[in-house]
Amino acid sequence: GQQLNQSPQSMFIQEGEDVSMNCTSSSIFNTWLWYKQEPGEGPVLLIALYKAGELTSNGRLTAQFGITRKDSFLNISASIPSDVGIYFCAGQLLTGTASKLTFGTGTRLQVTL
Amino acid sequence: DAGVTQSPTHLIKTRGQHVTLRCSPISGHKSVSWYQQVLGQGPQFIFQYYEKEERGRGNFPDRFSARQFPNYSSELNVNALLLGDSALYLCASSFTGGRRDGYTFGSGTRLTVV
Repeated sequence: GQQLNQSPQSMFIQEGEDVSMNCTSSSIFNTWLWYKQEPGEGPVLLIALYKAGELTSNGRLTAQFGITRKDSFLNISASIPSDVGIYFCAGQLLTGTASKLTFGTGTRLQVTL
Repeated sequence: DAGVTQSPTHLIKTRGQHVTLRCSPISGHKSVSWYQQVLGQGPQFIFQYYEKEERGRGNFPDRFSARQFPNYSSELNVNALLLGDSALYLCASSFTGGRRDGYTFGSGTRLTVV
């Protein structure tokens, strides 16, 4: 099935560093979402973006909905050990009464002290 | 309030067998979606249900089926299991599945086919 292109695939950073990851698609989406998944758990929603160009923050997290509606990025500032996990972007497409999420390939984040 | 609950949390099945996975959405949520997450990949859309009707179906074979009950809980059924069906199966609930509803995922059912 289709997966969005997400980069980088993995990151190893030191505590306190800033992180940036992005997601691109060949298709247009109505909504962009960013999720974090930890081992043994389902994805947890971090940020939702609803219109092209929108820039939204949630604490140390900032995300933007690309102008073309085909891309999005997520920044994490001043990383801490609990930021460890896999980050997924997801595009939501509404077709008639149907709604589905298409996920990216994921960015695995490791934070060292 | 309880989140999205899925059962069982883990199970092991043999090739060719049938499996039923269950999901209870957040109270008040009427839409349930199912996703398959193979190790190392992002989740893939299988089905969406709203008010007991199928609203969307992903690119999965007919061995996969689902239904939603009057209390909005849902079952995912997989027949004639293959080794490749081994994955984490996630259920997500939302109010209607609409644009600004947001999706809340359960912790998933880890299915291993041997």
